[in-house]
Order: sequence, then structure tokens, then C-alpha cells
Amino acid sequence: GQSLEQPSEVTAVEGAIVQINCTYQTSGFYGLSWYQQHDGGAPTFLSYNALDGLEETGRFSSFLSRSDSYGYLLLQELQMKDSASYFCAVPGGGNKLTFGTGTQLKVEL
Amino acid sequence: DGGITQSPKYLFRKEGQNVTLSCEQNLNHDAMYWYRQDPGQGLRLIYYSQIVNDFQKGDIAEGYSVSREKKESFPLTVTSAQKNPTAFYLCASGLGVHHTEAFFGQGTRLTVV
Repeated sequence: GQSLEQPSEVTAVEGAIVQINCTYQTSGFYGLSWYQQHDGGAPTFLSYNALDGLEETGRFSSFLSRSDSYGYLLLQELQMKDSASYFCAVPGGGNKLTFGTGTQLKVEL
Repeated sequence: DGGITQSPKYLFRKEGQNVTLSCEQNLNHDAMYWYRQDPGQGLRLIYYSQIVNDFQKGDIAEGYSVSREKKESFPLTVTSAQKNPTAFYLCASGLGVHHTEAFFGQGTRLTVV
């Protein structure tokens, strides 16, 4: 089976940097994705890592270590609009797509 | 515009009634998914489909049924066997095998009274 664990909540101040971790257990690994979801809305894709290392997309970066079954999402220059839930996800065999438990990020002034 | 459409946005049903949630996509994606989300919780996979006329149970399939008669459509029926159906339901689609990005509809909020 597949399981992904994330911290349930993270709080940071505007302008700061925050890291959201994800550890996973999966049979067959193809990559790790990250999604953002604002309250009441649909999840939207942020990034994907298939190989070890850091992928940067503007203020957001994502890191993967396949040997540690671990990844993280790094958000820089936090803004109030970044307050949302963040999910890691792994595609599995037969296109099964499993999401993590989600991390609620609260950005404060 | 290409996208994935769920309808209705809000749905109210009486306990014991079956209800069908619609999901349509015009992205030409092969894979489609249904997830359930409870307040403050993650996304739990109900059913998924790789191709037309084929689908697999996810982690919480009991009390739900699906069909995939057309590539564009993947309706979800919440049956009376589902003991706690009130939730936010999200449909998603993806292109190709082990696709890197899933696209979501805006969701249907089902309330059973």
C-alpha cells in the first residue's frame, strides 16, 4: 500500500520561510507531487520531483530524497495568500494517486 | 476552455437515498479519480479509472459505485450503504501513466439529512 505523513499544522509570519515535510511509504515509486488547496476550493498542482534534489519554481521549491523516502515543500517570502492546506502525493501502480494527510499553513502578520 | 467540471456544487439528499455526482472533463485525459474530503482532513481515494470501461477501488470504496462508459465522464454514485456520506467530493483527471499532474474539479459538497 501507500501512505504519506505530513505535519498537521504549521504557523509562520509574513515574509518568513517555511518548510513542510512529507515522508512516504509506497510500493513502487515514480515521483512526489505537491498541491495547494485553499478553504472550500479545489487542490491545484504546485510541483513534482522524480529525481533527488531541489526543484525551484518562483517562491516555492520542492525537495526529494528517494533514499530517505522523504520530501519537503519550501515556501519563501511568505504572503498572507499562502495560507492554505498543502498536500504531498504519490502516483502508484495502475495510476493510483494517493495523497498525504495535509498540512494547514497559517501565515500571520 | 479545457477543464474538469463537477455538478452540482451543493447537493442535499435524504438519508437512505442514492445520489449521483457528475464529473466531466474535456482534457482528453485517460485517468480519472474520485476523492472524499472531510473537514480538516486529507483526500481519501474512493475509485479511480485508467481507461474507458475499467476502474479500480481506492481506499474507501465501500458504499460507492462508479462507471466509465466514456472517456470524458466518470460519475460517482453514493449509495444508501455509505454510512456517513456527508462530505466534500472531488473529481480529478490526469494524462498518461504515472502522470505528474492531476487536475481537479471544483468539488461537490454533499449533505445528507
